[in-house]
Amino acid sequence: DAGVIQSPRHEVTEMGQEVTLRCKPISGHDYLFWYRQTMMRGLELLIYFNNNVPIDDSGMPEDRFSAKMPNASFSTLKIQPSEPRDSAVYFCASSQWGVSNQPQHFGDGTRLSIL
Amino acid sequence: GQQLNQSPQSMFIQEGEDVSMNCTSSSIFNTWLWYKQDPGEGPVLLIALYKAGELTSNGRLTAQFGITRKDSFLNISASIPSDVGIYFCAGPRTSGTYKYIFGTGTRLKVLA
Repeated sequence: DAGVIQSPRHEVTEMGQEVTLRCKPISGHDYLFWYRQTMMRGLELLIYFNNNVPIDDSGMPEDRFSAKMPNASFSTLKIQPSEPRDSAVYFCASSQWGVSNQPQHFGDGTRLSIL
Repeated sequence: GQQLNQSPQSMFIQEGEDVSMNCTSSSIFNTWLWYKQDPGEGPVLLIALYKAGELTSNGRLTAQFGITRKDSFLNISASIPSDVGIYFCAGPRTSGTYKYIFGTGTRLKVLA
């Protein structure tokens, strides 16, 4: 079975540029999560969706961050404009059936470097 | 707010040794999850625990859901070099929510 697929795996861009990260969840999973991982703060939940609808975006750091899920098989996380402090590894995860204790399955992440 | 503290932060062990690590919280959890993260990859689920006192194994890994529901333990028996990585505990921030809180991680290094 294909797992959660993220692209690109690495992104290096200059400050001020728009960055778009992509995620394809596991087929049949109806919850999708975006996380950010840094040395200082560990793994932080940014936003999650249920059936393509954003449920909780309280973890999104600023208005520069936005996320969409136009259909059940695709989501994007966009940063515009990007800043050096946005450098981190961004993970997408998905889970099934909306049961609160169903484990989340993670993609391999996008390593983002803002110069 | 809720925090998950993992101990130890890092450890070096000899191949073949057993490993123990734990995760503690100041508040009650109804689910405990243990993930492992290899360099350059995302966290991979190892074991999920759903009931206080539950003891669950996955190969050489055994995890327990503490009776107080404020802690969990992960043991690895007869460690091998591929056990190297960061081990995270995690759980729903509050009951019935999908928002996980992740522990600070235990970094394991195995000396061949």
